[in-house]
Amino acid sequence: EAGVAQSPRYKIIEKRQSVAFWCNPISGHATLYWYQQILGQGPKLLIQFQNNGVVDDSQLPKDRFSAERLKGVDSTLKIQPAKLEDSAVYLCASSHWEINYGYTFGSGTRLTVV
Amino acid sequence: GQQLNQSPQSMFIQEGEDVSMNCTSSSIFNTWLWYKQDPGEGPVLLIALYKAGELTSNGRLTAQFGITRKDSFLNISASIPSDVGIYFCAGNYGGATNKLIFGTGTLLAVQP
Repeated sequence: EAGVAQSPRYKIIEKRQSVAFWCNPISGHATLYWYQQILGQGPKLLIQFQNNGVVDDSQLPKDRFSAERLKGVDSTLKIQPAKLEDSAVYLCASSHWEINYGYTFGSGTRLTVV
Repeated sequence: GQQLNQSPQSMFIQEGEDVSMNCTSSSIFNTWLWYKQDPGEGPVLLIALYKAGELTSNGRLTAQFGITRKDSFLNISASIPSDVGIYFCAGNYGGATNKLIFGTGTLLAVQP
């Protein structure tokens, strides 16, 4: 089966600019996650969708981050305006609802804010 | 946010050696998972554990779900150069969310 697709792979922006990331999960996976991975750390959940509804966005900095999954398939994550501390890899993952099979992660988007 | 304590932080070993790493939490988890991350890639699931005391193998990898449900161990036997990468443990509380809490990672380097 095709994996989780993410684009772009890399993005460099200046602080206060806006940026958007795109994710297409594995076909049939109802649950989609966006994780932030800062260099040297493990991934941290930003937001979890079940179909097109938000299950958990408690760690999402809502003053600058937003995410949507309008048709319950692909998703976009936006940062506006970006700060230096937003430099990280943004990983998208998808799964069946039962966590038993674990997540499948995409390759991520590496964001550098200068 | 919460992260699990993983040790050691890094390991530099010779090819053929066995490797052990562990992960501890202040909270009880329903599921423990171990992932490997190569440079420039997302984490890839290695082993999933669902019951306290469970011991599961995947080739040269063996992992255990601690009896207290607050820890887990990963062993790699007869390491090879392609084992190089960062290994992460992750825990899941279960319930309404499938959120994973990740460990801080163990960097493994294997000298041929």
